[in-house]
Amino acid sequence: QSALTQPASVSGSPGQSITISCTGTSSDVGAYNSVSWYQQYPGKAPKLMIYDVVNRPSGISNRFSGSKSGNTASLTISGLQAEDEAAYYCSSYTHSGIVVFGGGTKLTVL
Amino acid sequence: QVQLVQSGAGVKKPGASVKVSCKASGYTFTDYYIHWVRQAPGQGLEWVGWINLNSGGTNYAQKFQGRVTMTGDTSTTTAYMELSGLRFDDTAVYYCARSGYGCSGGSCYHYYFGMDVWGHGTTVIVSS
Repeated sequence: QSALTQPASVSGSPGQSITISCTGTSSDVGAYNSVSWYQQYPGKAPKLMIYDVVNRPSGISNRFSGSKSGNTASLTISGLQAEDEAAYYCSSYTHSGIVVFGGGTKLTVL
Repeated sequence: QVQLVQSGAGVKKPGASVKVSCKASGYTFTDYYIHWVRQAPGQGLEWVGWINLNSGGTNYAQKFQGRVTMTGDTSTTTAYMELSGLRFDDTAVYYCARSGYGCSGGSCYHYYFGMDVWGHGTTVIVSS
């Protein structure tokens, strides 16, 4: 099972919006609404930001939103803040009952 | 509060086995899955497998099949991941993570393939 495809890096200025894409196949992202997004700071455990494509766990800012079209899921962060600078990973359930992660995207806030 | 506390770091020789523990507290242990995810130095997240703590059923990533075993002890609310035949490239931080429970549109439900609570990670170094 191949990893999902994410851009290696994205950047934006404070206050702007950015979108991180996560491309899979018709056997994972395209087939199921079980896409999650995680934020990870260096040396720390990942933190769940979005589950089931569009849902935010309790306590997650509404500046974070998720969507999906076909085989590609997206994470959008609006009103970019310095504290958003981190690595972001997507994951998806797959037809074989396993989970696959994306390669990760490093977000830089300029 | 809900938390997962993992065992301490270790150094292992190539070919040896390692067993990492994940002590759960603050929730009903058997209502959730535990996923295991690893991260090699400077690399991304890699999913290893999950265990259903109610049935004991497991599912492992293909690359680990035959080398990994996940178990759970309901009496101590502890999940375990054992990896055998260690290689240098198994050097990584190993995380346990709980499947999720959330509310959307007025209804609350379990989602088993997202991970809402994570352990702090266990560093495993494979070195001769």
